[in-house]
Amino acid sequence: SQQGEEDPQALSIQEGENATMNCSYKTSINNLQWYRQNSGRGLVHLILIRSNEREKHSGRLRVTLDTSKKSSSLLITASRAADTASYFCATEAGANNLFFGTGTRLTVIP
Amino acid sequence: DAGITQSPRHKVTETGTPVTLRCHQTENHRYMYWYRQDPGHGLRLIHYSYGVKDTDKGEVSDGYSVSRSKTEDFLLTLESATSSQTSVYFCAISESSRQNSPLHFGNGTRLTVT
Repeated sequence: SQQGEEDPQALSIQEGENATMNCSYKTSINNLQWYRQNSGRGLVHLILIRSNEREKHSGRLRVTLDTSKKSSSLLITASRAADTASYFCATEAGANNLFFGTGTRLTVIP
Repeated sequence: DAGITQSPRHKVTETGTPVTLRCHQTENHRYMYWYRQDPGHGLRLIHYSYGVKDTDKGEVSDGYSVSRSKTEDFLLTLESATSSQTSVYFCAISESSRQNSPLHFGNGTRLTVT
């Protein structure tokens, strides 16, 4: 399986702290995407990073990609209670396939 | 929510009955997808469509069929529901193939098969 797997499965931090979650995958990819899911809602796209990119920023989000280690990380800086959600990575690898991991459940304590 | 409406939002049905879930989009996107989300499995693709009347199977298509007669509507049918199909079903759309563009998701349909 080339499914991306997030680590840790759950993360609890205080508001204002940074949150880092990781994604590992097994085969070569063209790009990797991160999504957020609030409880009872659909997934929301956060950021897409291509295989030839090493780092990408969007507001308080910073994503890195290390294709040699087949891993990616999502950093949320200065976390807020509203960042409480599950975060998923999705890996793309040809043949129009997209695989989602099982997610990291982030809780930000006010 | 990118103009995606799923209906119904919740449904309880009995084993063996047919069920149809509807996804309606107002974005005129070419690609539409049905996923199911279960604990411990992440999201898994059931079927997808790359145009009107053009559909293909995903990784967990057994027991499901789809139809797309209009750009804006993508229907998922469980011909004879089973308890293993109890899940949360998400519709998603994308402007181009998943390889290059993000997915936009609806808010899901929670289906319980008793």
